[in-house]
Formats: sequence, C-alpha cells, structure tokens
Amino acid sequence: QVQLVQSGAEVKKPGSSVKVSCKASGGTVSSSSAISWVRQAPGQGLEWMGGIIPIFGTSNYAQKFQGRVTITADESTSTAYMELSGLRSEDTAVYYCTRTSSYDSGGYYEDNWGQGTLVTVSS
Amino acid sequence: EIVLTQSPATLSLSPGERATLSCRASQSVSNFLAWYQQKPGQAPRLLIYDASNRATGIPARFSGSGSGTDFTLTISSLEPEDFAVYYCHQRSNWPPRLTFGGGTKVEIK
Repeated sequence: QVQLVQSGAEVKKPGSSVKVSCKASGGTVSSSSAISWVRQAPGQGLEWMGGIIPIFGTSNYAQKFQGRVTITADESTSTAYMELSGLRSEDTAVYYCTRTSSYDSGGYYEDNWGQGTLVTVSS
Repeated sequence: EIVLTQSPATLSLSPGERATLSCRASQSVSNFLAWYQQKPGQAPRLLIYDASNRATGIPARFSGSGSGTDFTLTISSLEPEDFAVYYCHQRSNWPPRLTFGGGTKVEIK
C-alpha cells in the first residue's frame, strides 16, 4: 500500500517561504486521483489549501491561498510539493498531504494521509 | 460553495455509551460524504465513505447514515480509543475542492 511520507518540521521567518514535500512510498503519485494539501492550525480544524491531479499536472487552490501557494508533483521521484510564500504567524500549522482515491460509487475520498509537517512561523 | 456544519461541538460521554454526531450540508451532496477520526498528534483517518460504508479495518460499532443534506455518525458503544475529534467531509469534483465540517470532539465524561 502506498504510504505518504512528508518532510520534517520547519521554522521560518515572517515573509519567507516554505516548501513541504510528500513522497509516495511504495507507489507513484500518478496512481492517485489527486493529491491535496490540508492544514491544521494549533487547536483548530482542517483547512483545504489546494490540490493537484497528477496525470494532468493541473493544480487548483482555495481562494484564501491564491497567489501564495503552489502545488506541484514530480513523477520521476513520486513526490508532491506544497510551497507557501509570504509566511505570517497565522500560517503556523501542521500541513498534511493526502491522497484521493476513486470508489466504485463514483465518489472520491481522501483515504491516505501523510504524517504531517509542523511549520512554525516566528521572528 | 458547500458548507458543512457539525453538531454538537463537544460531546461528553462515558465508555459504553452511544454517540450520535450530526453533519448538515448547505446543499445536497447526495451520499458523497465521509467521516474522519483524528486523535491528538495524528493525521485524520477515514472511517466512513459514501455516507454509510465503513472504510477498511473500521470496527462495526461505527456506522453512518443520511443522504442529501443531513448525515449522522453513530458509535454504538464507546471504547476508550474512540475519544477523539470527528470531522465530516465532502469533495467537489469540479472544480476539485475539499470541504470539512468544524469537527465534534467526543470527550470522556
């Protein structure tokens, strides 16, 4: 079974950028219907940031993050990336990648999650 | 844009009791709704998909029901490991976007 392995924790200065990776171990990113990124601020709920459909290479983003986030996938290394720029303290959160699978019903669900990457933004 | 509203925010129960969690969608999602469980320090885990189907390895005490705009997750008899936060979730396929409810925390009374 494919396991999503994310890069380690990061500490960043306000205004800088962070790039988090998500490697599909035991499989490929293209075997996923999509790879999405979801973040969770301390003590808060889950917030979708955007995603990529690997076989098309097309990405789309939540309006809140438009212009600040870039999601890409590298088939050769089976790795997806999420880069967030213009970091501010409110971006301190755990960032998860998640893999979408299609089901016989026609539904698509996120049934495989990375372990999460804590990004701390602090001066 | 679909909004998912969960209630209650917190549910205080004892082991062995029945838990009933609600999720309401702002417009019909047919039965394309999922439930996730999240424990502290862990990633969410898929429990229920298509509103009522248990994901692989999920115990039978978890069940889901509903369609359209109103959905329920029921835990028939709470085990100690079931105390966690539960999120409902819906995915729009075009344009692709994920929506999560605000979560229900099931805590030990």
